[in-house]
Amino acid sequence: DVVMTQSPLSLPVTLGQPASISCRSSQSLVYSDGNTFLSWFQERPGQSPRRLIYKVSNRDSGVPDRFSGSGSGADFTLTISRVEAEDVGVYYCMQGSHWPWTFGQGTKVEIQ
Amino acid sequence: DVQLLESGGGLVQPGGSLRLSCAASGFTFSNYAMGWARQAPGKGLEWVSLITGSGRNTYYTNSVRGRFTISRDSSNLYLHMNSLRVEDTALYYCAKGESATYCSGEVWGQGALVTVSS
Repeated sequence: DVVMTQSPLSLPVTLGQPASISCRSSQSLVYSDGNTFLSWFQERPGQSPRRLIYKVSNRDSGVPDRFSGSGSGADFTLTISRVEAEDVGVYYCMQGSHWPWTFGQGTKVEIQ
Repeated sequence: DVQLLESGGGLVQPGGSLRLSCAASGFTFSNYAMGWARQAPGKGLEWVSLITGSGRNTYYTNSVRGRFTISRDSSNLYLHMNSLRVEDTALYYCAKGESATYCSGEVWGQGALVTVSS
């Protein structure tokens, strides 16, 4: 299975400041059709996961534009341009190029 | 609005069986692949199984292959779980796919808790 490694695992952030989470895969996520199926999910306390980003950099409907995704191959980043209080939660990267899809360990974002 | 409502969770003894259901609404169900993912208490997320919109193709993670069966009808997704193990204890989520042949969790339900314990 493809191993997804996130860093950091804990991210204290200041309101209004930027924050970034790194995600690396154990092999390239470029699929045979040329797409790279790397997604980011947000899990707020007590809620089910919500997809924020798909195919590396595409925001899902309703996701604020302060969230952005970047990267290629096996190295990816989720950036929050200005952290808001509602962004507290656990963030997961997930690869959907090689079955079984696999998630990173999760990064806990909290306000410091 | 897309809605996914899981049901059927509960407490079961090791070796027992359970069937989870996911009632889908707000989209043309047969046009989308669907899947099940799970999250053990205090742990991360894990994809369990996928099924294409036609139902013809199914996929399983190694740890459940041969024990779990995914299926669907006109508006419901199911996960038939046999030979349950303690390590299958988790919150099970139903997820909607992006197309008839691909699902990576565009929308998730609220989850159904399965507890395997003697």
